[in-house]
Amino acid sequence: EVQLVESGGGLVQPGGSLRLSCAASGFTLSSYWMHWVRQAPGKGLVWVSRINSDGSSTSYADSVKGRFTISRDNAKNTLYLQMNSLRAEDTAVYYCARECGGDCFYFDYWGQGALVTVSS
Amino acid sequence: QSVLTQPPSVSAAPGQKVTISCSGSSSNIGNNYVSWYQQLPGTAPKLLIYDNNKRPSGIPDRFSGSKSGTSATLGITGLQTGDEADYYCGTWDSSLSGVVFGGGTKLTVL
Repeated sequence: EVQLVESGGGLVQPGGSLRLSCAASGFTLSSYWMHWVRQAPGKGLVWVSRINSDGSSTSYADSVKGRFTISRDNAKNTLYLQMNSLRAEDTAVYYCARECGGDCFYFDYWGQGALVTVSS
Repeated sequence: QSVLTQPPSVSAAPGQKVTISCSGSSSNIGNNYVSWYQQLPGTAPKLLIYDNNKRPSGIPDRFSGSKSGTSATLGITGLQTGDEADYYCGTWDSSLSGVVFGGGTKLTVL
């Protein structure tokens, strides 16, 4: 059974940092591109970042470019999102999601989400 | 403001049919496949439709998708109270070089 389990969320002050992890099981992580998608309270889904299967290529939404870094450790079956210079508007539930394959741009599995709250 | 435009809400009675529209442009829907997701209250999104009109294993054929030009449509027939959820369309945007979603549509089964 495919499972994605996020961890690392919590309360952080504006300007602070946080690292999210997404533990993958039930499939070979190294075969899939992976994404982070976030959802502010009561709002819709917003794509955050994408990483290719071996970690050599990444892309980001303009709103997080230069502040967030996506990475992966295929040997540990884990995806990461390092979030720096956090702002109040980054408050959201962060989901990791598996892309179906390369360049198909839909998400066939999602984690349960990790809540990040940026507040003083 | 989302790149893809969806109606904020739709409603219909149990057993009836409803459609949810998703409007975009040539840089997204017009030249890329569309997917649809269902988000039940308090849960993560779930894939309903991919590649415009394909259903993953386990998704009933009450759910259907279509695309024409720069718009896509999700159809749900035989509505059940368990279908009450938020529905999102998504696709790749070639100009933004990123995935874009609609703002979401809340389905109420009266």
